Amino acid sequence: EADIYQTPRYLVIGTGKKITLECSQTMGHDKMYWYQQDPGMELHLIHYSYGVNSTEKGDLSSESTVSRIRTEHFPLTLESARPSHTSQYLCASSDILNTEAFFGQGTRLTVV
Amino acid sequence: DAKTTQPNSMESNEEEPVHLPCNHSTISGTDYIHWYRQLPSQGPEYVIHGLTSNVNNRMASLAIAEDRKSSTLILHRATLRDAAVYYCIDTGFQKLVFGTGTRLLVSP
Repeated sequence: EADIYQTPRYLVIGTGKKITLECSQTMGHDKMYWYQQDPGMELHLIHYSYGVNSTEKGDLSSESTVSRIRTEHFPLTLESARPSHTSQYLCASSDILNTEAFFGQGTRLTVV
Repeated sequence: DAKTTQPNSMESNEEEPVHLPCNHSTISGTDYIHWYRQLPSQGPEYVIHGLTSNVNNRMASLAIAEDRKSSTLILHRATLRDAAVYYCIDTGFQKLVFGTGTRLLVSP
């Protein structure tokens, strides 16, 4: 059973608001990832981390930021939400060799 | 960017075997081959992985070519529940990047 959790599952928010999407895992995984996916489209890597105090931008440019202060926690923040940020955001974690990555249930964000 | 190439879509009938191909043209010696699938409205889930030898688990089998430039995911008896997008990835210590995958359609 995967122990990775994302909150909230759904979020509808107004333009200009600051939001933080939470992601936590209890498996002690070093690697954590954030992906962005629109319905029926590709899964795009936007941020990843190899461990505490390590964060890197992914292949798709994103206005969001992330932090990794604790192994189990990898929150994603949007300082000022815009309608173009409307999408599904998926968090994942894996061991150092990516042997088996586990995904959270996702957060479906709608910015109005 | 994703380094693998897969057909955009494949079709199968229920209870028939399915062979999903993947080309790993730039795979390095230490990279593992991973397969994930994404069911409709869900996040991806791990299916199987291997390095050089063929691998079996309760979900599928993975056949890896001797030169490791290609792999095949084998679903022995497709069910309607296996309809999903299947992704192959080769990576070791690097980040996990998904390509476009193969959309598998399963007909009753």
